[in-house]
Order: sequence, then C-alpha cells, then structure tokens
Amino acid sequence: QEQLVESGGGVVQPGRSLRLSCAASGFSFSSYGMHWVRQAPGKGLEWLAVISFDGGYKYFADSVKGRFSISRDNSKNTLYLQMDSLRTDDTALYYCAKDRRGNRGPLDLWGQGTLVTVSS
Amino acid sequence: QSALTQPASVSGSPGQSITISCTGTSSDVGPYTSVSWYQQHPGKVPKLIIYDVSNRPSGVSNRFSGSKSGNTASLTISGLQSEDEADYFCSSYTSSSTQVFGTGTKVTVL
Repeated sequence: QEQLVESGGGVVQPGRSLRLSCAASGFSFSSYGMHWVRQAPGKGLEWLAVISFDGGYKYFADSVKGRFSISRDNSKNTLYLQMDSLRTDDTALYYCAKDRRGNRGPLDLWGQGTLVTVSS
Repeated sequence: QSALTQPASVSGSPGQSITISCTGTSSDVGPYTSVSWYQQHPGKVPKLIIYDVSNRPSGVSNRFSGSKSGNTASLTISGLQSEDEADYFCSSYTSSSTQVFGTGTKVTVL
C-alpha cells in the first residue's frame, strides 16, 4: 500500500543543521509533487515547501525561505528537507505528504512524522 | 502568507449539523478551487476529507461536505457523531504558488 516514512529527526542545537528524509513506497513517486508540513507541539499545521514531480520547481513558506531547502531523488523514491540555521521555534513534528496531482494540493497521503527539537 | 482564519472551536450534539468557516483573501481562497479540508484526531496524522472545495476522497463519509463563497470556504458535518470529535484544518493554494493552512478548529461533540 502507499506509504511515506520520515526519518532524520532528533535534538539539535540552535544554529545547527539537520536533514530529514521521507521514503516513499507503493506508488509512482516520480509522478507526484511532494510537500513538507510541520506541526509545533499543541499547535496547528504549517505548510513549509513543495517540490514538483521532477524537482524542476520548488516553493517555500516565508518562515523558512533561505534556511530550508527541498530536494528529491526519484531513483531512490526519497524526498529530503535540508534545514539550516535552526531556531528554537523550528521545534515541531515534520510531515512529508504527497500531492494528489501536481503542486496545488490536496495532500492525500501523509507520513507519521519525525520530531525535530531545537534546544541548547 | 498569513494563516486562513477558522473559529477556534465549534460544538454540537449528536445528530446535529455544524459548519466550520475558513476565511482567506483574494490571494488564496478567493480565486482558487484548490481548497481542502483535513481531519486530525489527537496524536494522529491529518487525513484529507474534502478537496477542490467540495469533493470527497473515496471512503470519506458523505456526512462531510464543503462549499465556498468569495474568500470564505466552509465545511459542514451533518449527523454529528462522537467519532467526528477532532481538529479540522482548511488549506488553500495561493497566488505565490504555495499552500496555506487554516488556524484549525476543534470540534466537540456534546
């Protein structure tokens, strides 16, 4: 069945970097846009970034633009989120999600999330 | 990229209907049909329940329906059941080619 599994989360100090991965299976990964979404503890959903099916275009939320980058390796069915200059307010559960079509949403398949804690 | 505005909480008795609003702007909800709704139970992953304003994915109860007027989208839950108690988030495509989520609404079944 279709599945997304995130990894790479953990505890990191402010100012450091972390790379998250999202392994996809059960569907044609290279055919769909992919998103990253995060949820701070007890808070709502915050959209972060999208990448097109072929990696040709990428868009970011203002809150992470210039600090986070998104990429994908279709040969490995894997999505990535490179997070630099991390701040304490980046602490959240990070989800990857599949776009139902291209890049406009909706997000019809979500992973279980990986927890990132930014703390000194 | 301000979050779409939703009421913090909505409640209803079993069997009743409730409606959750999602107010955006002329840069997101207004011009686009790419408006979706997600249900999230505590400790669980968000689940898509409405897409393209009013379409339901396969397997989603027809008690959930969506609509849009101007810059405001709405989710209606008919025949409210205890299992509907959850957080609900709207989202929209934007003129910046990004997505934006709503602030979230906690639905309580009395």
